[in-house]
Amino acid sequence: AQRVTQPEKLLSVFKGAPVELKCNYSYSGSPELFWYVQYSRQRLQLLLRHISRESIKGFTADLNKGETSFHLKKPFAQEEDSAMYYCAISGGYQKVTFGTGTKLQVIP
Amino acid sequence: SQTIHQWPATLVQPVGSPLSLECTVEGTSNPNLYWYRQAAGRGLQLLFYSVGIGQISSEVPQNLSASRPQDRQFILSSKKLLLSDSGFYLCACPPPGRSTEAFFGQGTRLTVV
Repeated sequence: AQRVTQPEKLLSVFKGAPVELKCNYSYSGSPELFWYVQYSRQRLQLLLRHISRESIKGFTADLNKGETSFHLKKPFAQEEDSAMYYCAISGGYQKVTFGTGTKLQVIP
Repeated sequence: SQTIHQWPATLVQPVGSPLSLECTVEGTSNPNLYWYRQAAGRGLQLLFYSVGIGQISSEVPQNLSASRPQDRQFILSSKKLLLSDSGFYLCACPPPGRSTEAFFGQGTRLTVV
């Protein structure tokens, strides 16, 4: 079975401080990992995917197979980054499983 | 590009009443379809997914059921609602060509009173 764990329900950081949202996964094969974001009163949407190795809105995430982690990072937090962030995994049957989410609060 | 229509946007129902939430998808054919529930403190929970007409897989035992009468229609139902069924229900399907991702509808906020 595929599973994602996000240990932090809430993460508060000051504007300009670094951000790291933690995500650990379990899956026996080679999964695809994603981060989704939900801004206030907006649709839940894809932020980035590990296979693209991309940086979106200053966020990056590296897949560490040894530690089975996919932490989301940004060097300098902005107020507009405040949102709910979900880590997600997709393995067999293209089923997408989400973590419980972390609410990021950036303090001005 | 695809679009997902969910209705109603908000719903207040008494305990014990039936439920029917509808999701329709446009701009794609034979998609995998998903129902998720977003509840306070419990994150985003996969309830049902469907790989085709009449094919439904349930992820968690619960008071809800799902049906897929047409290729691009996915319905979430209950015969008798419980207080614990309150939450934000999201329908999703993969974007074309990206079968491992999820594109979400705007959701339905259900409050059971």
